[in-house]
Amino acid sequence: QVQLVESGGGVVQPGRSLRLSCAASGFTFSSYGMHWVRQAPGKGLEWVAVIWYDGSNKYYADSVKGRFTISRDNSKNTLYLQMNSLRAEDTAVYYCARDQTQWDILTGSPTHSMDVWGQGTTVTVSS
Amino acid sequence: DIQMTQSPSSLSASVGDRVTITCRASQSISSYLNWYQQKPGKAPKLLIYAASSLQSGVPSRFSGSGSGTDFTLTISSLQPEDFATYYCQQSYSTPPIFTFGPGTKVDIK
Repeated sequence: QVQLVESGGGVVQPGRSLRLSCAASGFTFSSYGMHWVRQAPGKGLEWVAVIWYDGSNKYYADSVKGRFTISRDNSKNTLYLQMNSLRAEDTAVYYCARDQTQWDILTGSPTHSMDVWGQGTTVTVSS
Repeated sequence: DIQMTQSPSSLSASVGDRVTITCRASQSISSYLNWYQQKPGKAPKLLIYAASSLQSGVPSRFSGSGSGTDFTLTISSLQPEDFATYYCQQSYSTPPIFTFGPGTKVDIK
């Protein structure tokens, strides 16, 4: 079945780095864009980053730009999030999600949504 | 940047009630609006994409409408499994920025 499994979370001190992984199975990983979304304790959802199916384009939320890097290895069916210079406000559950692209027949423009999600991995930034 | 708001922030309803949640964008986003459901301790689930298209496997009691800046998610007859938090999300921005709304929590009256 279609599945995403995150790993790599843990407790890290402010200013340190952490790399999250998301292992995909049950679908052709190399055909899909992928997202990272996070949720701070008791808070709402915050989109973090997206990478195109072939890794050609990457986009980030302003809150993580310059500190986080999204990447993928299509030969390993794995998505990554390299998180540097971590701050207390980065404490959250981090989810990976598959991008579902639909094409608007009137405009020819793509619409994006997140149709498959992992179970999340928890990152705690604390001294 | 496009900002998303939702109203109400929470509501109490009974099984069988018709429930409507509103999402508003700070500028026109055409129909580039998605709705998600999240239950405590679980990952979000896609319900509606492109404002009004029902995601495969989602019960037909869920529906979405709207375009431009104002959108609604309607649950026609609330079921026990529908008590959750609902988020809207825009996918209109260029370059791509996928902003979520703050969420609407639906609980039992």
